[in-house]
Amino acid sequence: AQKVTQAQTEISVVEKEDVTLDCVYETRDTTYYLFWYKQPPSGELVFLIRRNSFDEQNEISGRYSWNFQKSTSSFNFTITASQVVDSAVYFCALMIKAAGNKLTFGGGTRVLVKP
Amino acid sequence: NAGVTQTPKFQVLKTGQSMTLQCAQDMNHEYMSWYRQDPGMGLRLIHYSVGAGITDQGEVPNGYNVSRSTTEDFPLRLLSAAPSQTSVYFCASSYGGGYGYTFGSGTRLTVV
Repeated sequence: AQKVTQAQTEISVVEKEDVTLDCVYETRDTTYYLFWYKQPPSGELVFLIRRNSFDEQNEISGRYSWNFQKSTSSFNFTITASQVVDSAVYFCALMIKAAGNKLTFGGGTRVLVKP
Repeated sequence: NAGVTQTPKFQVLKTGQSMTLQCAQDMNHEYMSWYRQDPGMGLRLIHYSVGAGITDQGEVPNGYNVSRSTTEDFPLRLLSAAPSQTSVYFCASSYGGGYGYTFGSGTRLTVV
């Protein structure tokens, strides 16, 4: 079975602070993919990043960065110098290729960036 | 370049009524899924499909039916609506092979 846990339900920061969102996943499969999605107040789901299980290279894209560690089954996401527009719910998700590419979501972390 | 289109955007049903939520994609994606989103519970998978003619149950399938007669369409049927089915429903599609899912804009359903 596959499972994604986002222990932080809500994080509140002041603009320009850094925010790190934790994600822990469970799977016995060796081939899988991890995702982060953003859901702004308007409600749509926006794809942010994908990582496969064979690529532990961490990445920085603008103010966003990701830390993937297979040893601890974690795929954490950091927003540097947060802005009010970053206020949203962020979802971590896991896809198992052998399970028909079903996408399993964590419960989400609500980020509130105050001016 | 429509992506994933869901209709309707809003719907109010009475308990016991049936209805179909429509989902269509124009990206020739093989994989399609239906999720429901309830406050504080993230997105839960209802049903999914790996191609035309092939569907399977997700985490919360009870009370819902699906079919996939074409690659483009994946309707979700509520057989006899219950207040517990009040939720926001999202349809999504993907190429598979580890590509992410593209989501529709959602349908907000209220059952009274």
